Amino acid sequence: DVKVTQSSRYLVKRTGEKVFLECVQDMDHENMFWYRQDPGLGLRLIYFSYDVKMKEKGDIPEGYSVSREKKERFSLILESASTNQTSMYLCASSLNGGGGDEQFFGPGTRLTVL
Amino acid sequence: GENVEQHPSTLSVQEGDSAVIKCTYSDSASNYFPWYKQELGKRPQLIIDIRSNVGEKKDQRIAVTLNKTAKHFSLHITETQPEDSAVYFCATNSGGYQKVTFGTGTKLQVIP
Repeated sequence: DVKVTQSSRYLVKRTGEKVFLECVQDMDHENMFWYRQDPGLGLRLIYFSYDVKMKEKGDIPEGYSVSREKKERFSLILESASTNQTSMYLCASSLNGGGGDEQFFGPGTRLTVL
Repeated sequence: GENVEQHPSTLSVQEGDSAVIKCTYSDSASNYFPWYKQELGKRPQLIIDIRSNVGEKKDQRIAVTLNKTAKHFSLHITETQPEDSAVYFCATNSGGYQKVTFGTGTKLQVIP
């Protein structure tokens, strides 16, 4: 059974702080993804990674960066948090993206930036 | 990039009736079309998917149809039950196939 975990369920930060969100998967999946979920906007892809140390921009990468030093761990970094980054952040992983595969999601981190 | 449009944004049906959610996409190279269900406070989970070499797929009360010519695909839920109440997302792959673009979601309410 695939398990995707995220470091925090709820997080409150102040404007300008550096924020780290971490995601770990335990099924040796190649691909990992970071999304933000906002009402009426669905799931929007921020960044994804198809291999260790590889990263690709998604649809809304501005203000974010990522790190994938180990296969099982994918971190999302907000260099200087702003109030418009208040959102639900979801991490996901998939076995091998060639041709498309089921994505397994983490429980989400609700981030509030004050 | 890929553009996925999903309709309707909200849908209310009586228990036992059918529900249909439709999505259109823009990238003719897309070949994987999953549907995810997200219950309140929970993470999205895959309920059914279809690949471009298939026109229809069924799993008990759930079916997905794909029209590649018209670039649209639909989720059909028959004999709806209260536990079907959730937000449903369509998605499709694009841009090298690892990337997945989601629709904006449909909130389905099944009224007992």
